Parts: sequence; C-alpha cells; structure tokens
Amino acid sequence: ETGVTQSPTHLIKTRGQQVTLRCSSQSGHNTVSWYQQALGQGPQFIFQYYREEENGRGNFPPRFSGLQFPNYSSELNVNALELDDSALYLCASSPTGGAGTEAFFGQGTRLTVV
Amino acid sequence: DQQVKQNSPSLSVQEGRISILNCDYTNSMFDYFLWYKKYPAEGPTFLISISSIKDKNEDGRFTVFLNKSAKHLSLHIVPSQPGDSAVYFCAASGSTGSYQLTFGKGTKLSVIP
Repeated sequence: ETGVTQSPTHLIKTRGQQVTLRCSSQSGHNTVSWYQQALGQGPQFIFQYYREEENGRGNFPPRFSGLQFPNYSSELNVNALELDDSALYLCASSPTGGAGTEAFFGQGTRLTVV
Repeated sequence: DQQVKQNSPSLSVQEGRISILNCDYTNSMFDYFLWYKKYPAEGPTFLISISSIKDKNEDGRFTVFLNKSAKHLSLHIVPSQPGDSAVYFCAASGSTGSYQLTFGKGTKLSVIP
C-alpha cells in the first residue's frame, strides 16, 4: 500500500507566475484535501475534493483552484503568485472524508515565491 | 480569529517523564479532535483522536483528554522518549460538510535523554 505522494518537493517561482502542484492519494482513498502551512503556523484548509467534485473550501481566493482525477489523484493550481503564497503545501487523503476520519498527509511541496 | 489554540510554542521534558501538550478551542460545533505529529521535512502523521462524546481515549503511551465544558483538550505521553521529539498539532473538525481540519499552530516537544 503506497502512501500519499506529492510532487515536486521544492519549487521556486516568480511573483505573477502560475504553479501546479500534484498529489497521488493513498490507495483506496477517494477524498483529497489541500492545506497551506505558512512558517510558524498550523496547516490551513484550502479545499477538499470528493469523487472529483469540490466538497468544501476554506478562506482562499479564487486564484487557488484544484482538480481531482478519476484515479483520485489531485492538482492544486495557483495563479498570479504573490510573495505571501510562499509556504508548505500539504495534500491529505482519506477513505471517505466523513466526520472524524483520519487524514493521511504527504510530505508536502515547499513553494518559494520570489 | 484562531479557533484552535496551542498556547505553548515549545516544551522540554526529560526522557521517561510525562509530556503534557495542551489545546483550547472556541468553536462549539467541533465534534472531533485529532493530534498529529510532524517531523522536519515530513508531512504530519496521525497520532490519536477523540470524539466529543468521550472524555478520554488511550492508545499505548498516548492518552488524549477532552474537557468539553472548558473547550480544552490535552495529550499525555508517558513515558516520553527521545523519538517523540517533534512538532505536535492539535486539530478539530465538525460533523457536517467537508469535515475540514482546523489546526492549531503547534507545540514543539523536545525530549531530553
């Protein structure tokens, strides 16, 4: 059973550019959530996908968008990058997304915007 | 407005002693509480959880206590081991919608040999 994997592990982008981060969910998991962890902060919920549909969104602007594919892998896209978007982006998968369901996290993608 | 608060950024404990990590929350709609551990360059890993209908849950060396009236929970690690040194995040979720996790800022635990 493979765990949650994210790519790339590190990325440097210029302000104003666009970025795509990728996540392969754990086998058998149909729910994927994305979190942003700024330095010294806890992870903050961006959005969740359940069976290819967005199933909830945190307080992030529309330039943060996502996709979930039929194999339940997922992408996070960020347009018009800002310096404050520099953070660790975490993907988490869970089997059903139900209440109290344990989420399994990937190792994250460290994004630096310069 | 922080709904989940971990007021101690760091904690140092001697090996073999008890580690107590605290967490407070403000949203009375939270129904589930989870603790995650994070090592550098790794994603958070799940430790233990508790439902709001319980006041205690135990798993080996880890015990979580929930005081719903005080909106407070704590994680006890007994005995503490050097491998427990990590950042511990308290997280909470409701029982409707996307069940998103709301995290605290974390407490860095150092277990001294």
